[in-house]
Amino acid sequence: GQNIDQPTEMTATEGAIVQINCTYQTSGFNGLFWYQQHAGEAPTFLSYNVLDGLEEKGRFSSFLSRSKGYSYLLLKELQMKDSASYLCAVNNAGNMLTFGGGTRLMVKP
Amino acid sequence: GAVVSQHPSRVICKSGTSVKIECRSLDFQATTMFWYRQFPKKSLMLMATSNEGSKATYEQGVEKDKFLINHASLTLSTLTVTSAHPEDSSFYICSAKSGGTDTQYFGPGTRLTVL
Repeated sequence: GQNIDQPTEMTATEGAIVQINCTYQTSGFNGLFWYQQHAGEAPTFLSYNVLDGLEEKGRFSSFLSRSKGYSYLLLKELQMKDSASYLCAVNNAGNMLTFGGGTRLMVKP
Repeated sequence: GAVVSQHPSRVICKSGTSVKIECRSLDFQATTMFWYRQFPKKSLMLMATSNEGSKATYEQGVEKDKFLINHASLTLSTLTVTSAHPEDSSFYICSAKSGGTDTQYFGPGTRLTVL
């Protein structure tokens, strides 16, 4: 079966750092995506990890450990506009995406 | 690059009518397009996968006769919700990918309300 877990909600302060975790158990694994989704809008691509390790892109970084079935998205220097849902999605056999439930991040001043 | 559009963005229809939603890849050729459904405060649920020129593959529990998918060209896929009912009201999102990449790019979504 497919099981992807991430926290439902998180709150952080503007300017701080926040880490959103994602654990997965899936049949087949080709890589892991992180998407950002603002309310009422479509998801936008943030990162794609295929190999173990940390990938950094500006304020956002994503980490993957395939042996542990674990990933995290790290957001630095938080801004109010970072308030959104963050979706972890596994690219499994057949290049189909299975999404986690999403983490709603609220950034407070 | 990698822009996907959807039309319409919002649609309100009466129960029993059919609604067509278009998904277009604007600056790349999409060999595969995906249709998702999203309920409020929930994640995306894959409905079907369509490859250009072939029949769509539907996920378990999705009625293929109710949700008709056509992927007639490398830049266009359509989803038709037939005989719509209020329970079909939802946010429908398409995504597209080209053959050379694993990344799916999402359209802006279509909010369907069935009265």
